[in-house]
Amino acid sequence: GAVVSQHPSRVICKSGTSVKIECRSLDFQATTMFWYRQFPKQSLMLMATSNEGSKATYEQGVEKDKFLINHASLTLSTLTVTSAHPEDSSFYICSAREFINQPQHFGDGTRLSIL
Amino acid sequence: RKEVEQDPGPFNVPEGATVAFNCTYSNSASQSFFWYRQDCRKEPKLLMSVYSSGNEDGRFTAQLNRASQYISLLIRDSKLSDSATYLCVVRDNTGGFKTIFGAGTRLFVKA
Repeated sequence: GAVVSQHPSRVICKSGTSVKIECRSLDFQATTMFWYRQFPKQSLMLMATSNEGSKATYEQGVEKDKFLINHASLTLSTLTVTSAHPEDSSFYICSAREFINQPQHFGDGTRLSIL
Repeated sequence: RKEVEQDPGPFNVPEGATVAFNCTYSNSASQSFFWYRQDCRKEPKLLMSVYSSGNEDGRFTAQLNRASQYISLLIRDSKLSDSATYLCVVRDNTGGFKTIFGAGTRLFVKA
């Protein structure tokens, strides 16, 4: 159980492109979803937390207009990296949690490369 | 001081060895604790929750010392497939249930 699917797994695109990443909980309803970024050999960095039907809560230093998060249903959250630049290249991972006292389960991650 | 601290390693051990990872956390209000493993270029996966009384899952044993704000993970009879980064995770069960991930400890198990 507790499967989280993330798509796409790999994106390579030109600078200035907007990229949309989907995160789905396949066998449970995710009241809360999280978006992380991880640079090579570094730890996970929480970008934002989203609760279904509410606006996402962004961590300090994360631009909400740059990283648009939508959590319109209990099984789907999307992250859109708008006008991506090379410095946005990273490994983006979502996670989802069904109930507030349960552990998070992670998606497969999306490796984003901006040329 | 970081909220969750781990020895980054790497730990290089032979197959069959026993290896222990330590983790300390700064928020005494933390209530839930987990160990995740992350393989290279992959997402973290839940390894086990950590309970106050200590718990075991096969070759893996997790311990919690609330007084010292210390968590440990012991791996017995290491396998090559245990090579990964082990993340200590701490959650505050109040307010927004904020979850903090440690930076991870890298383990290499060699034949």
